[in-house]
Amino acid sequence: GNSVTQMEGPVTLSEEAFLTINCTYTATGYPSLFWYVQYPGEGLQLLLKATKADDKGSNKGFEATYRKETTSFHLEKGSVQVSDSAVYFCALKSRGSTLGRLYFGRGTQLTVWP
Amino acid sequence: GAGVSQSPSNKVTEKGKDVELRCDPISGHTALYWYRQRLGQGLEFLIYFQGNSAPDKSGLPSDRFSAERTGESVSTLTIQRTQQEDSAVYLCASSLFQGPGFNSPLHFGNGTRLTVT
Repeated sequence: GNSVTQMEGPVTLSEEAFLTINCTYTATGYPSLFWYVQYPGEGLQLLLKATKADDKGSNKGFEATYRKETTSFHLEKGSVQVSDSAVYFCALKSRGSTLGRLYFGRGTQLTVWP
Repeated sequence: GAGVSQSPSNKVTEKGKDVELRCDPISGHTALYWYRQRLGQGLEFLIYFQGNSAPDKSGLPSDRFSAERTGESVSTLTIQRTQQEDSAVYLCASSLFQGPGFNSPLHFGNGTRLTVT
């Protein structure tokens, strides 16, 4: 089956610290992988994506590399800011699916202190 | 509006009552999803509509749950005879066409927080 496992939160960091949020997946075939972010008071929105092995998605200083050998898609940022405080969701869409169902992880709460 | 709109934003209901949640997707979006998020849990898929195709209802937890969508417009999620375990945030999302090879981003609403007392 298809599933996503995310690092348990919450994660608390000081501004300018390095961030890693781990994500591993189980999927039928080779899925597309996504990170979504939910800022306080807002709906989830797409942060970045990667659609095939070794692809790197990047946006707003965040990066994640699609690793087929380790079935992982870890989210990283070199220097976090207070404005990055949010909940981060890893997700996959199975390439084998005939419809567009997305599977989400539990979400990881990130708090960045000044 | 420019985004996905859900109403009501909050709903408190008594156990055993029926509730109806509404989602207005972004105009032109053919795909529409309903997800549920219980406290401390991930997003649980409920149902997915794609244009005129038969909806994927495989995530609906029981026959008390149903959803409708007219064409590519508004969707309603109905929960009959609500139970306390139905308490959660119900999220709606819409996107352009999804399917193999298509990875249109989902646009989420702010959700409806349902509390069953």
